[in-house]
Amino acid sequence: SQTIHQWPATLVQPVGSPLSLECTVEGTSNPNLYWYRQAAGRGLQLLFYSVGIGQISSEVPQNLSASRPQDRQFILSSKKLLLSDSGFYLCAWNGGDSQPQHFGDGTRLSIL
Amino acid sequence: KNEVEQSPQNLTAQEGEFITINCSYSVGISALHWLQQHPGGGIVSLFMLSSGKKKHGRLIATINIQEKHSSLHITASHPRDSAVYICAVHLIQGAQKLVFGQGTRLTINP
Repeated sequence: SQTIHQWPATLVQPVGSPLSLECTVEGTSNPNLYWYRQAAGRGLQLLFYSVGIGQISSEVPQNLSASRPQDRQFILSSKKLLLSDSGFYLCAWNGGDSQPQHFGDGTRLSIL
Repeated sequence: KNEVEQSPQNLTAQEGEFITINCSYSVGISALHWLQQHPGGGIVSLFMLSSGKKKHGRLIATINIQEKHSSLHITASHPRDSAVYICAVHLIQGAQKLVFGQGTRLTINP
């Protein structure tokens, strides 16, 4: 069966520090992969999605970047975190367009 | 105006009540999801539907494509149903992506 792993579960980082959040999927090949952010009191917002290795689409201009170095690995990064980067980050995957999305457990990121 | 609007934003009810959460959208869609987010943040997909009605246990989801409206119903509600319920749509153009409503916070009191 397919599973999605996302880590760490919580992270506290100082302003200006770098960031790397990792997401891996097991039990499937060539998934679509997604990074979402949920700011406090707000809805989910799509940040990046990828339909294949090295293919990244960015939805909103921001301080973050994403990479997909392997088929089932999706990484969210920042060189210098801002206070506004605080939030709950969710990784998700699905098997193709309009297919149900399956979510990781999320990473709660606090910037001090 | 958001492309996906949910109502109500907050709902408190007593155990056993019948619950309805509504979702309206203003764009062309290929499918609609209902998601459940628990206090810890994890999200579970409840339904994906593109027409008609689906039922799973005490949960029922309906969609009216012509009216661009969907409802999520919970029968015989229970405190463990307390969560944020999120409506999300796959756009016809750009079907890789989901567009989310702002969520409905449901609290069921014993």
